[in-house]
Amino acid sequence: EAAVTQSPRSKVAVTGGKVTLSCHQTNNHDYMYWYRQDTGHGLRLIHYSYVADSTEKGDIPDGYKASRPSQENFSLILELASLSQTAVYFCASRDRDEQYFGPGTRLTVL
Amino acid sequence: AQKVTQTQTSISVMEKTTVTMDCVYETQDSSYFLFWYKQTASGEIVFLIRQDSYKKENATVGHYSLNFQKPKSSIGLIITATQIEDSAVYFCASTSSGQKLVFGQGTILKVYL
Repeated sequence: EAAVTQSPRSKVAVTGGKVTLSCHQTNNHDYMYWYRQDTGHGLRLIHYSYVADSTEKGDIPDGYKASRPSQENFSLILELASLSQTAVYFCASRDRDEQYFGPGTRLTVL
Repeated sequence: AQKVTQTQTSISVMEKTTVTMDCVYETQDSSYFLFWYKQTASGEIVFLIRQDSYKKENATVGHYSLNFQKPKSSIGLIITATQIEDSAVYFCASTSSGQKLVFGQGTILKVYL
């Protein structure tokens, strides 16, 4: 069964600070994704990657960078965190057309 | 661009009854895939069931089934014999390329005794 883990599970950051969210998957899936979820909304795609050392912009990439140093690891980077980036962030990997999600990271920017 | 709309914000049903959650999608592509995901109270997101656009038969997995009405661009999720543990948020999603999923806003399901 697909295993996607995220760290940290929860984080409080200060406005203007740098935040890195990490994701690790153990099933050799090529595709990995970062989504954000806001209260009352579905998931929105920030960045994704289909191969190591390459990332693609999703639907809401502004204010975020992504890094895929290996097939197993995919990071989301907020260079200058802002209040509007308070949300829950989910990482996912994809097998065929089905996505498997990590447990989420709750980010609060103060 | 693809779009997925779930108009039911919240549904409450009695345990052991059947519930249907609605989802309408928009796509320009002739081939696409539709999914339902469940988000539990702990935040965990779990894949439930999928429908491939070229298949005429409605997908069924356990006590989940789909009502695929292609002319109406509709993919309803049907849960039979609901249980308390089915209380969750249910998301509909679609993709044509398989690369990017587009999610609906979600429907909260509350199952009571």
